[in-house]
Formats: sequence, C-alpha cells, structure tokens
Amino acid sequence: KAGVTQTPRYLIKTRGQQVTLSCSPISGHRSVSWYQQTPGQGLQFLFEYFSETQRNKGNFPGRFSGRQFSNSRSEMNVSTLELGDSALYLCASSLVGAPNTGELFFGEGSRLTVL
Amino acid sequence: AQKVTQAQTEISVVEKEDVTLDCVYETRDTTYYLFWYKQPPSGELVFLIRRNSFDEQNEISGRYSWNFQKSTSSFNFTITASQVVDSAVYFCALRSSNTGNQFYFGTGTSLTVIP
Repeated sequence: KAGVTQTPRYLIKTRGQQVTLSCSPISGHRSVSWYQQTPGQGLQFLFEYFSETQRNKGNFPGRFSGRQFSNSRSEMNVSTLELGDSALYLCASSLVGAPNTGELFFGEGSRLTVL
Repeated sequence: AQKVTQAQTEISVVEKEDVTLDCVYETRDTTYYLFWYKQPPSGELVFLIRRNSFDEQNEISGRYSWNFQKSTSSFNFTITASQVVDSAVYFCALRSSNTGNQFYFGTGTSLTVIP
C-alpha cells in the first residue's frame, strides 16, 4: 500500500513569491491535514480537509490556504512568501469513520526555503 | 486548551542503555488520545503507538514500552537496550474528541544513541 506522497520534496523561493505544495493521501483515506514544522515552533497545525471541505484551521494568516479534490488529493498554497515561512511542510492522511484507528500517516514533507 | 510538553530537548545514551522519554499533557476533555511518533532524518513521522484516555494499560512492543498515567497526565516512552537505529526525534501528541482530527504535538526529544 503506497504511503502519503508529497511533491516537491525540496524547493527554494524568494520573498514575495507564492508556492503550491501537493499531497496524495493513502488510498482510501479521506482526511488530509497539513502541518508546518520549524525548529522554533515545532509542529503547528495548518488545516484539515475532508470530502473537499476544510473542517478545521490552525492559527495561520490568510496567506496560507489549501484545497482538496474529489480524489482526496490536497494542495496547499502560500502566497507572498516571507522568510519565516521557511519550514518543512508535512501532509498527513487518516481514515475517518469506522473503523477509525485515529492515527495520522505522514508523508516525508516538502522542505521550503525562502530567500 | 490542549498542550503537550516534552521537557527533554536532547538525550544521548550509549548503545544498549535504557532510555525514557517524558511526555506531559494538558486537556480538559475526558475523551482524548495520545500518540508517539518517531521522525528519522528522512523527515517522515512514523506512528508508534496510540492510547485512549480510558485505557491506562501499559503496553510493551519489543524493546518499546509506554507508561500512561492519568493521575500525573503523563505518557512516557521507554526504549530498552537502545540501538543506533533508535536515533531520531520523538514526538508525543494529543488529540481530543473536541478538536476533531487536530493533533497537538510536543516540541520533540532528539535521541542520539552512541555506538
């Protein structure tokens, strides 16, 4: 069974640009969550999507947005990049409903560097 | 409010030593779930264990064991006879029944096992 796939794995952008990250969940998983990981803040919840709807959102500015497609694949976008957006962006999928084992399954992340 | 504290930032042990990683959590909810994840250098968080708030049984899986104590709001993780492959960052996380699928992560403990 294929795991969570994130693309691209690494990318470099400059301030003011925008970036789109992609995530393909495990087959059958309908919930996709995004987390930002930085050395200073640890893992911070960005948002969660289920059935193409955002169900929950963390405390991030509106520059951070996402969406989910009918095949459960998800994208997140960051506009007007700032230096502080440099981070590892992790996508996680999970089963929702019965049987819901509750754990998140993570991809390897997209490492964004903003110069 | 939900919070997870991992007071140990970095730990170094010599191979074959036992090591315990501490995790203290805060929640006002009566139904919640606790998790441990391992993050090797590749970046992907690997699920290790999940515990429900109403199940205080300790668990052992090979060299890994977990001690869940609601009285002290702790969910500690012990590795017996550590190996170099255990070197990674370990995260404790909390999910509450009232916060949907949002996970709250501790800041992680970086474990180095010295051969």
